[in-house]
Amino acid sequence: GAGVSQSPSNKVTEKGKDVELRCDPISGHTALYWYRQSLGQGLEFLIYFQGNSAPDKSGLPSDRFSAERTGGSVSTLTIQRTQQEDSAVYLCASSLLGDTQYFGPGTRLTVL
Amino acid sequence: EDQVTQSPEALRLQEGESSSLNCSYTVSGLRGLFWYRQDPGKGPEFLFTLYSAGEEKEKERLKATLTKKESFLHITAPKPEDSATYLCPDSAGNNRKLIWGLGTSLAVNP
Repeated sequence: GAGVSQSPSNKVTEKGKDVELRCDPISGHTALYWYRQSLGQGLEFLIYFQGNSAPDKSGLPSDRFSAERTGGSVSTLTIQRTQQEDSAVYLCASSLLGDTQYFGPGTRLTVL
Repeated sequence: EDQVTQSPEALRLQEGESSSLNCSYTVSGLRGLFWYRQDPGKGPEFLFTLYSAGEEKEKERLKATLTKKESFLHITAPKPEDSATYLCPDSAGNNRKLIWGLGTSLAVNP
């Protein structure tokens, strides 16, 4: 595709529900990143995928968060048992060989 | 601890009034210093990458420079469409994850 796409653009859920956020990277990009941007905070690194290597999960805030990348392309970020503090914009980025990162428009998650 | 500090937090300019934004970093093993702009409700948009002290990059009214401890984004004769939040993350470590500051919110009045 022409750019990184993310879906949904907005998600409102109730506390305790699970949510799945999707990211379609730029075609051919081997690296994929998830970040979280909370109100008034800088972007926070969550997880990194590079090719077939084991993902770097060092930024995931708790075991309620997980992500997978199928076929080296599309990625899904799953948040289980959502809490109000999970409310944020979740951004996905992709890059060719781990260099310049290109971002999608983000998914705004609101947990009521 | 690796961190990025940007100043000022907010800047309001008149159209045509040139200025500079500052980014200081304490990242060890720096792999690249990036500049992005972010409009409200959108993801960051890539502007520049700088890799070594003394390097400069230009695009339209923007010019980015890098020293060993700081980077500057110079904005010459800004226009209202330059209004955005400007971010300068560092790339460090083998995974190239970006370390972000809070950005500078720039408003250019017509």
